[in-house]
Amino acid sequence: AQKITQTQPGMFVQEKEAVTLDCTYDTSDPSYGLFWYKQPSSGEMIFLIYQGSYDQQNATEGRYSLNFQKARKSANLVISASQLGDSAMYFCAMREDGGGTSYGKLTFGQGTILTVHP
Amino acid sequence: SQTIHQWPATLVQPVGSPLSLECTVEGTSNPNLYWYRQAAGRGLQLLFYSVGIGQISSEVPQNLSASRPQDRQFILSSKKLLLSDSGFYLCAWSEGQESFATNEKLFFGSGTQLSVL
Repeated sequence: AQKITQTQPGMFVQEKEAVTLDCTYDTSDPSYGLFWYKQPSSGEMIFLIYQGSYDQQNATEGRYSLNFQKARKSANLVISASQLGDSAMYFCAMREDGGGTSYGKLTFGQGTILTVHP
Repeated sequence: SQTIHQWPATLVQPVGSPLSLECTVEGTSNPNLYWYRQAAGRGLQLLFYSVGIGQISSEVPQNLSASRPQDRQFILSSKKLLLSDSGFYLCAWSEGQESFATNEKLFFGSGTQLSVL
């Protein structure tokens, strides 16, 4: 079974508007972390935001916020005031604690291509 | 500040030829190091990770191997490339620590696009 599911292969948004990229995850580990990365056409993976499973509040980093709904196992990324430079592939990823043996292994979703229109 | 360098950016190799991709990290000591592979239009798959010099763990059986001859150097190799080895290879690092925390952030290099023909 997929541990990270991103159901939107592609999304379009108008410049200056907000957009939500969906991510659902599957784990039985009570301790885990959720990440979002941005991959522009250059290929580099850029860390955007992190949410811990025990965090009480949704994470925010500038124009990025993570809508964390633990009971639904969803961790959607919200980008406010979209900019042309936001056009890229976006990946959701998870690390499970695994009793301290996760060894940095991030499990990635398939990604969502975001296109920002002027 | 910490930086990660990965080269070459692109590589075209014939089937059966050897491979060596190199990654170095600057500005930190004893980092955890990782090799990931990304198939076209897909997510990333962890290939190898290392918590110290000479310590390599493999996540999936494959035609590739990794080595860490120095603290901040990570090398991905193959003796004989297969067509299925084609893909985008990313090196990454994170702050080394005794135990892995769920909030451990990975920082990636710019990647190597490998085409095996």
